[in-house]
Amino acid sequence: QVRLQESGPGLVKPSETLSLTCAVSGGSIRTSNWWSWVRQPPGKGLEWIGEVYHTGTTSYNPSLRSRVSISVDKSKNQFSLRLNSATASDTAMYFCARGRPFNALTGYSYYFDPWGQGVLVAV
Amino acid sequence: QSALTQPASVSGSPGQSITISCTGTSSDIGAYDYVSWYQQLPGSAPKVMIYDVTHRPSGVSNRFSGSKSGNTASLTISGLQADDEADYYCSSYTNTNTPYVFGSGTKVTVL
Repeated sequence: QVRLQESGPGLVKPSETLSLTCAVSGGSIRTSNWWSWVRQPPGKGLEWIGEVYHTGTTSYNPSLRSRVSISVDKSKNQFSLRLNSATASDTAMYFCARGRPFNALTGYSYYFDPWGQGVLVAV
Repeated sequence: QSALTQPASVSGSPGQSITISCTGTSSDIGAYDYVSWYQQLPGSAPKVMIYDVTHRPSGVSNRFSGSKSGNTASLTISGLQADDEADYYCSSYTNTNTPYVFGSGTKVTVL
């Protein structure tokens, strides 16, 4: 089955760029699914950051749109997150997840499965 | 887009049934049957328990069930067990400026 694994620095300095990568294994990133980033500040709830399709088409949370970029590398079967001008409020566990599962009979749905184990990033 | 509203905590004794509510608006829960529920055990990633309001993924216990009425969705856990103790989040598709919104989260405690 598809598995996701996040990687990247656990510590980022304020004003610098937070960069993470999500490696997809057990399946191709070139499917009808979308690939998302979700974050969770310590002790708080989940926040959707954005998503990317294998063609490079993206969708972002308006609250982060000015600072975020999500890209896909089909040759490496992975996708990446960049968050510019990081501040302490960006300190969180960052998860990657497969979203918008596609069923040939019923079309798209909107939920996240599976998820990566997450990576804690402190700013 | 504001977070969906969930009770901060719900508790129950082993064997009992509990229900967690998730209240949204006519732009999300009320408009679409794309409500999902996630279980997050301490130190772990969320795991989908229910999708499309009532559907259970393969491998999820049938003690978990979902429903929706108007702008409110619900997750019911029957035959409560100790390992159900976790945080639970709802999520819905929305027709606002972001496609997804999460709930505020509910901590389930097994007494």
